[in-house]
Parts: sequence; C-alpha cells; structure tokens
Amino acid sequence: GAGVSQSPSNKVTEKGKDVELRCDPISGHTALYWYRQSLGQGLEFLIYFQGNSAPDKSGLPSDRFSAERTGGSVSTLTIQRTQQEDSAVYLCASTRGGATNEKLFFGSGTQLSVL
Amino acid sequence: GDSVTQMEGPVTLSEEAFLTINCTYTATGYPSLFWYVQYPGEGLQLLLKATKADDKGSNKGFEATYRKETTSFHLEKGSVQVSDSAVYFCALTNSGAGSYQLTFGKGTKLSVIP
Repeated sequence: GAGVSQSPSNKVTEKGKDVELRCDPISGHTALYWYRQSLGQGLEFLIYFQGNSAPDKSGLPSDRFSAERTGGSVSTLTIQRTQQEDSAVYLCASTRGGATNEKLFFGSGTQLSVL
Repeated sequence: GDSVTQMEGPVTLSEEAFLTINCTYTATGYPSLFWYVQYPGEGLQLLLKATKADDKGSNKGFEATYRKETTSFHLEKGSVQVSDSAVYFCALTNSGAGSYQLTFGKGTKLSVIP
C-alpha cells in the first residue's frame, strides 16, 4: 500500500499480558516514529528510528516498553506486562529523511485496551 | 522543555461560520510550527506548516501565521464546512535545539453542523 500500515487496528488484552504492535512505514522512508495518544491528551512521543543510527528511546515511559526496527523497515513496539494505564492509541509515522520540518505520514493507529 | 498549548474543545460551529483555534508555544531556538488534522476514522495528516517567523501556512482554506513576538500559530478559516469536522492538533519541532520530535498540543475537536 501507499501509506503507513499498522496492525492490529484494535487489540484487547488482559492486564499482565505482553502485546506486540506492528508498523509498516512507507517504502523508502528512513525515519520512523512511535507516538501514543491517550484519551484527552495530546500525542506523546515514544521512540524514533533514523536509518542505521541508534534509536532515540527517550520517550518510552518505562522499561516495559521496547521497540525494534528490522532491516530499516518494519517496526514492532512491544509492551510487556501490560497495565490499564497503557490503554491508548499507538500511532506510527514515517518520513523520508527525518529532517525537523518534514511532513510526517501517520498510520491509522492501534487501539490498545487493557482490561 | 518545549510545549504547545491550544484552546480546549470541543468547538461547535454552524456551516459558513468563521473559525479560530488558538495555539501558543514555548520553545528555545527557532521551532517549525505545524497544524495536523485527524478526520474521523483516519490517521493524522499534515494540514499546513510554517518554518520561520512571519511565514503563513495555508491549505484547504485554512491559514496560520507564525508570530514569534506572541509565540502563536492560530488556525483560521473564513467559512467552515461540515467536512471540516475533525480534531486539529498544533505541533512544533525545534530545529534550533536539534530536535526531530514533534511536540503536540492536546487537540481541539471541531464539529460543524449544517
């Protein structure tokens, strides 16, 4: 497809379980971002990948959160031992080169609900 | 740190009304400013941007002017349509601080009624 693809679109899990969220960026985009959108809140930056550079993990809220990007393309965000406060929409975005004023292309997000 | 403050919603307007959504920011250096829009059931998409003081971004009848003296980037449209109903996010990146992160406001939900 032409856009950023995220899967699953919805995920319901029980507290304490691990979840994996997937993002397929636009082909050729070297920069990839994960954001979290909580009810009534803005978008919270989680992690940033740019090419082969070490990712910026400064936004990850705890060590239960991790992400990887294999082959410079697909990215997986993993949340271990989920908590109810992890419930949110997780958004992935990509850009061609990661310049600070470039347009971000967002996926439709994964709605995570932790019961 | 950098921050963006935008007016609380929701905002409800009649079709053809004038729209203003206020946005102010706090940032060191020289941020680039953006408005993103999220239509129902869709992902966020860039609406317009401005990268330096006094620049005006415009798209789809929307405009916003980068005002460094008031640290503002208010979104305006002269005549809204039902199809403009969406959530609007003001955001910045701080090139002066070498930051590539978008810092977002909390979003303002706009509903336009016929």
